[in-house]
Amino acid sequence: QSALTQPASVSGSPGQSITISCTGTSSDVGGYNYVYWYQQYPGKAPKLMIYDVSNRPSGVSNRFSGSKSGNTASLTISGLQAEDEADYYCSSYSSSTTPVFGTGTKVTVL
Amino acid sequence: EVQLVESGGALVQPGESLRLSCSASGFTFSSYWMHWVRQAPGKGLVWVSRIKSDGSSTTYADSVKGRFTISRDNAKNTLYLQMNSLRAEDTALYYCVREVAIAGIGMDYWGQGTQLTVSS
Repeated sequence: QSALTQPASVSGSPGQSITISCTGTSSDVGGYNYVYWYQQYPGKAPKLMIYDVSNRPSGVSNRFSGSKSGNTASLTISGLQAEDEADYYCSSYSSSTTPVFGTGTKVTVL
Repeated sequence: EVQLVESGGALVQPGESLRLSCSASGFTFSSYWMHWVRQAPGKGLVWVSRIKSDGSSTTYADSVKGRFTISRDNAKNTLYLQMNSLRAEDTALYYCVREVAIAGIGMDYWGQGTQLTVSS
């Protein structure tokens, strides 16, 4: 299983919106509505931010939203805040019935 | 409160074996599929293995297939990862992770991880 492709880094100023892409294939992202996004601070465990493409778990800010088009999923953070500076990973169910993670994106708040 | 506490990480030599454990609490452990996910220093998340709630089904990443064995003891609320023939590239922080209860393969609770270092 090859990792899903994410940009290495994305940056934005406070208050702006940024979008992180996650590109896979028809055997993973494009084939299922099981795409997830995780936030990870340095030295901490990942936290689930989005499940099933666009749903937010309880307690996750509505500034985080997810979507998918074809083989590419996206995470949008609106009203960017300093606390959003972290690494973000996408993940998808795959045809091998296993999960596959993205390469990870470092978000920097300028 | 859901808690996952990993243990067993260590510094080992290439070719040696090690067993990781994950003690679960705060939820009905026997009802959930569980995973091990690893992260090498400065690198991304990599899925390692998954086990069904009753232990009857397991899957592995190609990189560990035949060397690692995932298992669980639902009476003890504990998840295990037996790792044999360890290689330098297995060096990573190993996370114990709970799968979401709904359909799909999301991971909603993560432990803090246990460090495995494979080096001579």
